[in-house]
Amino acid sequence: DAGITQSPRHKVTETGTPVTLRCHQTENHRYMYWYRQDPGHGLRLIHYSYGVKDTDKGEVSDGYSVSRSKTEDFLLTLESATSSQTSVYFCAISFGLAGHQETQYFGPGTRLLVL
Amino acid sequence: AQKITQTQPGMFVQEKEAVTLDCTYDTSDPSYGLFWYKQPSSGEMIFLIYQGSYDQQNATEGRYSLNFQKARKSANLVISASQLGDSAMYFCAMRNDRTGNQFYFGTGTSLTVIP
Repeated sequence: DAGITQSPRHKVTETGTPVTLRCHQTENHRYMYWYRQDPGHGLRLIHYSYGVKDTDKGEVSDGYSVSRSKTEDFLLTLESATSSQTSVYFCAISFGLAGHQETQYFGPGTRLLVL
Repeated sequence: AQKITQTQPGMFVQEKEAVTLDCTYDTSDPSYGLFWYKQPSSGEMIFLIYQGSYDQQNATEGRYSLNFQKARKSANLVISASQLGDSAMYFCAMRNDRTGNQFYFGTGTSLTVIP
């Protein structure tokens, strides 16, 4: 298994509070991703990073920010959580090989409930 | 826009029978990769199989095979000899030159294997 951990694994918070989710990898992979998973929507990309301090927006980036100050850590921040951000959040990594055959490896997920 | 369509929200199959999970994709790029992932009830995302757009043969991995019909833009997953442990959500995903290291996921199919 790829060495990917997410913390916290579960969180309950209130609307309007800031929340930070952490993804940590021990694989030295260049690319890191944050997805959210909601029923009927599959996985949707929030933000991704292609190196330290290099990040870009995904499909559903509004209301989220990210930071990557070290290769191994990718943080997802909800500046002011809303109930629509209640979801399961997955981190994923990939080495960044050329071509298409490289898969992503996923962390265990974080369940976030915004009341 | 890239798009992955999985039209079967839920499927049932008898144990030891084969089942096909449908996936169609939309891209104008000639070079792309298609992936299938399994998500059991425990929540982790597990990579199953990969098919490249230039691959001449359908991909196979044990009991999993990918029925790739390029002209129809379909990449159906075939699971042979279903087992109770195959009960899970299954997601189709695509990656291509234009999306770089971004993956686009379908909404998933829930498979239930009946004893």
